[in-house]
Amino acid sequence: DAGITQSPRHKVTETGTPVTLRCHQTENHRYMYWYRQDPGHGLRLIHYSYGVKDTDKGEVSDGYSVSRSKTEDFLLTLESATSSQTSVYFCAISLAGGKNTGELFFGEGSRLTVL
Amino acid sequence: GEDVEQSLFLSVREGDSSVINCTYTDSSSTYLYWYKQEPGAGLQLLTYIFSNMDMKQDQRLTVLLNKKDKHLSLRIADTQTGDSAIYFCARANRDDKIIFGKGTRLHILP
Repeated sequence: DAGITQSPRHKVTETGTPVTLRCHQTENHRYMYWYRQDPGHGLRLIHYSYGVKDTDKGEVSDGYSVSRSKTEDFLLTLESATSSQTSVYFCAISLAGGKNTGELFFGEGSRLTVL
Repeated sequence: GEDVEQSLFLSVREGDSSVINCTYTDSSSTYLYWYKQEPGAGLQLLTYIFSNMDMKQDQRLTVLLNKKDKHLSLRIADTQTGDSAIYFCARANRDDKIIFGKGTRLHILP
């Protein structure tokens, strides 16, 4: 087990409020990813990180920011949540690192509802 | 067009083979992957293939890659009820972005 925890697992919030989702890993993997999953869209990459303080944008980064101040934590922030950000958010870590980054292990997901 | 494309649904009789297809547009993809998602769970890596390979077999799973046509397939032999899930095709770029298709929902008929 790669030891990845997402929190909170469920959250209901109101439009315009800030929300932070946390992804925590215990095994010092370098690469971490945030995805959102929506019906009809599959899994879309929001942001990813390839090291402490090293992050890059994915396909759907607008409205989201991330931070990685230490190896084990990758935070996803919605500065002002909108209803279009209602989704299930998955964090993933790359088990193989730079050689085969797509060998991902996923967290259990965080279901966010924005009213 | 979409970067990674898959058909959305597939129905197969128990015991038959399932073939799930995927096409992609970016020829610089280094690795290609198949993931499985069961209800209420995160994705689980099933298998992957390096872009210079044509085929990879792992027990009941066979992956075929046609690099010229940018076509990837996953064959599941002797499909069982436990194979019912959503299957995602994904690709990795040299910049370490991992891009997923929309997923194919596999339904097993008795």
